[in-house]
Amino acid sequence: DADVTQTPRNRITKTGKRIMLECSQTKGHDRMYWYRQDPGLGLRLIYYSFDVKDINKGEISDGYSVSRQAQAKFSLSLESAIPNQTALYFCATSDPGQGTIGEQFFGPGTRLTVL
Amino acid sequence: AQSVAQPEDQVNVAEGNPLTVKCTYSVSGNPYLFWYVQYPNRGLQFLLKYITGDNLVKGSYGFEAEFNKSQTSFHLKKPSALVSDSALYFCAVRDMGNTPLVFGKGTRLSVIA
Repeated sequence: DADVTQTPRNRITKTGKRIMLECSQTKGHDRMYWYRQDPGLGLRLIYYSFDVKDINKGEISDGYSVSRQAQAKFSLSLESAIPNQTALYFCATSDPGQGTIGEQFFGPGTRLTVL
Repeated sequence: AQSVAQPEDQVNVAEGNPLTVKCTYSVSGNPYLFWYVQYPNRGLQFLLKYITGDNLVKGSYGFEAEFNKSQTSFHLKKPSALVSDSALYFCAVRDMGNTPLVFGKGTRLSVIA
């Protein structure tokens, strides 16, 4: 969905480095999510935020942190990257008040490789 | 807790034949059910959803899904498969509260000409 953008699209980093993945949306949605995708494991929820003052841990939050800088921006940080954080990361948004109950809209993904 | 099972990692079908991608779910109360598709090097695209009402839901690209409450299933179907349908398909569920979607592990569909 072009209304949800992620930067960078690809990133190679080294073990121990701090890295930030950024997500921006122009859909006006309050709710934002970070997932990671691994082959054979599907999408797993890392963190989610229902508004600027609300941050919630997902299924696999260890080793990650997030920041909701504004309604439109939700960043994911890896404080000290490790190789098993190599994955495809997706940002998503939703807003049940806009008649799209539960439907989430996904960004194009960031492919992260930790060496 | 909510969960989704997609029992097949891979489904192969000949072009023109009907296809089915299976999904079963577990949720407290009434479910909201979704199917998404992922093409190579792309994000997830919404296909269809079941919220309430008619058990047969029609979606994008000729896909449909049937909600079966007694079997807790929401299988994705298409009467006639196209090569361009080859992709990774995800089933997802949430309950009626303020919970994010929970996704299955995905099923890779390969349509052979």
